[in-house]
Amino acid sequence: SAVISQKPSRDICQRGTSLTIQCQVDSQVTMMFWYRQQPGQSLTLIATANQGSEATYESGFVIDKFPISRPNLTFSTLTVSNMSPEDSSIYLCSVEDLGTPTRNYGYTFGSGTRLTVV
Amino acid sequence: QKEVEQNSGPLSVPEGAIASLNCTYSDRGSQSFFWYRQYSGKSPELIMSIYSNGDKEDGRFTAQLNKASQYVSLLIRDSQPSDSATYLCAVNPWYGQNFVFGPGTRLSVLP
Repeated sequence: SAVISQKPSRDICQRGTSLTIQCQVDSQVTMMFWYRQQPGQSLTLIATANQGSEATYESGFVIDKFPISRPNLTFSTLTVSNMSPEDSSIYLCSVEDLGTPTRNYGYTFGSGTRLTVV
Repeated sequence: QKEVEQNSGPLSVPEGAIASLNCTYSDRGSQSFFWYRQYSGKSPELIMSIYSNGDKEDGRFTAQLNKASQYVSLLIRDSQPSDSATYLCAVNPWYGQNFVFGPGTRLSVLP
């Protein structure tokens, strides 16, 4: 399956600042997904990033707050802008794993970024 | 609004027992279904996928799908303490659509 390197693994940030999270995939993928997982909650999709086009944002998420870059087929960044304590969460990138005869199709996730805003 | 529901738990079972995790979904046209395991502080990892009605077995795990009743379940046989985690059900409503994740069920396997 695809291997995703996600950085940073955790950070503590001051309110009003911005943090950029990076995901590097070891193979070319068409779509990359960015999720947020708040404490004790499930995964909420923020946006889908396609190479060469604007990211598609889910309801409740806007580009000004969560700008995304997708410069090539193996890399993407998510920026959390003008942070407030409500942005404290785990942020995860994900790619589609097409699977093999012996491995299930599904999404593979990066290791996550645990963000705390103080 | 596409929804996926699960009991939040915790579900506690003794070691060696069968753990049964359930999930219901609202979109009758959903095509594919997935179970993920998430250990505390870790990212989700895919356990099983299922697309057709009936059972699908993989080692100690069995996924069951009933599209008419709009539910999917995961059975874990011979549960081990290492199975203690949160199990997320995910549904792909239509091909090309994004996954919808349930809230997860926390499983605790007691030694």
